[in-house]
Amino acid sequence: DTGVSQNPRHKITKRGQNVTFRCDPISEHNRLYWYRQTLGQGPEFLTYFQNEAQLEKSRLLSDRFSAERPKGSFSTLEIQRTEQGDSAMYLCASSPKENIQYFGAGTRLSVL
Amino acid sequence: AQKITQTQPGMFVQEKEAVTLDCTYDTSDQSYGLFWYKQPSSGEMIFLIYQGSYDEQNATEGRYSLNFQKARKSANLVISASQLGDSAMYFCAMREGDNYGQNFVFGPGTRLSVLP
Repeated sequence: DTGVSQNPRHKITKRGQNVTFRCDPISEHNRLYWYRQTLGQGPEFLTYFQNEAQLEKSRLLSDRFSAERPKGSFSTLEIQRTEQGDSAMYLCASSPKENIQYFGAGTRLSVL
Repeated sequence: AQKITQTQPGMFVQEKEAVTLDCTYDTSDQSYGLFWYKQPSSGEMIFLIYQGSYDEQNATEGRYSLNFQKARKSANLVISASQLGDSAMYFCAMREGDNYGQNFVFGPGTRLSVLP
């Protein structure tokens, strides 16, 4: 069991560019979550997948954000036309059942 | 209104002593779950303990216990025999609704520093 894997660990981009992050959940976990965490704050829920279905999306997820989980395994989070306010840690978590979420180490995004 | 309140931005504790980290929550749901996570400086969120709203006994996991007071809507984390490796951010979180709901909310966190 390798845990939840997120890539890249760090991403530096210029404002206006598109970025994509990848999350590989623990195998056989059918639930996958994305969160955003800014400095000094707790994680904020972005979206949730059960298998390949995206069942919930936060109001925080503007139309510049899109997430996919095409085969119910790995997931990608894309941010289009990045803004400086998008700079944050993006956390992925997976869960085999409703209660306990296991988190990855996150992708830290810096928008210059 | 804040769903999860953690009133202690920072806490200090002497090694081997016990420490309580406060958490109060706000929900009108009858069924909900409460969680504590630890986030060391490396950034990864580590699950510590879970308490369901219908659980009659306080949850315990090794040196961690959750002091659940439903009427007061509090879910304090107690760490016994603190170790230097316990120094980290600690987040209280709540899942509202029944097990089919996935609305998770985290508090702002408490930074715990364990002194040698």
